This record gives sequence, C-alpha cells and structure tokens, in this order.
Amino acid sequence: GQNIDQPTEMTATEGAIVQINCTYQTSGFNGLFWYQQHAGEAPTFLSYNVLDGLEEKGRFSSFLSRSKGYSYLLLKELQMKDSASYLCAVNGQNFVFGPGTRLSVLP
Amino acid sequence: DGGITQSPKYLFRKEGQNVTLSCEQNLNHDAMYWYRQDPGQGLRLIYYSQIVNDFQKGDIAEGYSVSREKKESFPLTVTSAQKNPTAFYLCASSIQGLPYSNQPQHFGDGTRLSIL
Repeated sequence: GQNIDQPTEMTATEGAIVQINCTYQTSGFNGLFWYQQHAGEAPTFLSYNVLDGLEEKGRFSSFLSRSKGYSYLLLKELQMKDSASYLCAVNGQNFVFGPGTRLSVLP
Repeated sequence: DGGITQSPKYLFRKEGQNVTLSCEQNLNHDAMYWYRQDPGQGLRLIYYSQIVNDFQKGDIAEGYSVSREKKESFPLTVTSAQKNPTAFYLCASSIQGLPYSNQPQHFGDGTRLSIL
C-alpha cells in the first residue's frame, strides 16, 4: 500500500524559519507535490520534486530524498499569512495526499 | 480569467436523494479530479478522468458517480448509497493526467455538502 505521514500541528514565530516534514512509503514514485491550504479554501500549488535535492522558490524551499522516502518544506521569514495547512502529495502507485500539517504563525 | 468553477458553494441533501456537484474548467486541461476532504484531514481521491469519455475510480468511489462528456466539465453525483456524504468536495484539473504527470493540479473553491 501507500502511506504518508506529516506532523499534525506546528507553531512558529513571525520572522522565523520552520521545516515541515513528510515521510512516505510507496512501491512506485513519480514525484512529490507540496500544497498550501488556508482554512475553508482550495489548496494552491507550492512546489514539485522528482529528483533528490533542494528546490528553492523564494521564501519556500522543498527537499526530497527518494532513498529515505522523505521530503520537507522549508519556510523562511515567516509571515502571519503563512498560517495554513501544508499538504504533501505523492504520485506513486496511486496519487495520495498526506493528512496535512496545520501551521500557526504567532506575532 | 482561466480557472475552475464549482457550484453550488453550499448544498444540502435529504435522505435518499441524489445530488450533483458541478465542476467546469476553461484551462484546456485534459485531466480532472474529484476529492473529498473531511475536517482536519487530507484530500481523498474519489474519481479522476484523463480524457473525455474516460474516468477511473479513486480510493473512495463507492456511492459516487461521474461523467466526462465534455473536456470542460466533470460533474460528480453523490448517490443515496453514500451514507456519510457530509464533507468538503474539491474539483481539480491538470494539463496531463496520472500516473506520470509532473504537472500541478489546480483546484476550484469547493462545495460544502451537508445532510438535512
């Protein structure tokens, strides 16, 4: 089967850096996506990784290690508007979303 | 502006009733998807369609049906066989479909379905 784990909740302070982890198990792998979802709204695409390493996109970066079944999303210079849920999704034997991590950014 | 339109925003279903959720996209995307999201949980795939007149079951297809008669439209029917339909339903589309797509999915604003 396919399984994805993420921490349920995280809290960080405005201006800080936070790392949101995603671990997965899948028998095939065609890429991993990160999405941001504000409460009651639709998810929006943040990043895509298919090869090992770090992809940087402004304040957000995403890392992938295929051998470890591990990815993280790194958010720098946190702002209040970054308070949201962050979902990783694995395109493997099936396309599956993780449960999401709810991030609260405090002043 | 290109995008995905879901309607209605809120929908109420009576016991034993079928209801249909609309999803229209003008992004010229080949693939379309339906997801269900329950409070505090991630998205679960109900059905997806890679091209017109073709669709595949996702992880939780029981109690749901879809059609894809036009590229732009992918309506979802929640049948009376779905005993726990209360959830947030999200429609999405992407340039190309699963399983090898590296293209992100673009989402509509969702429909909240509740039982009366």
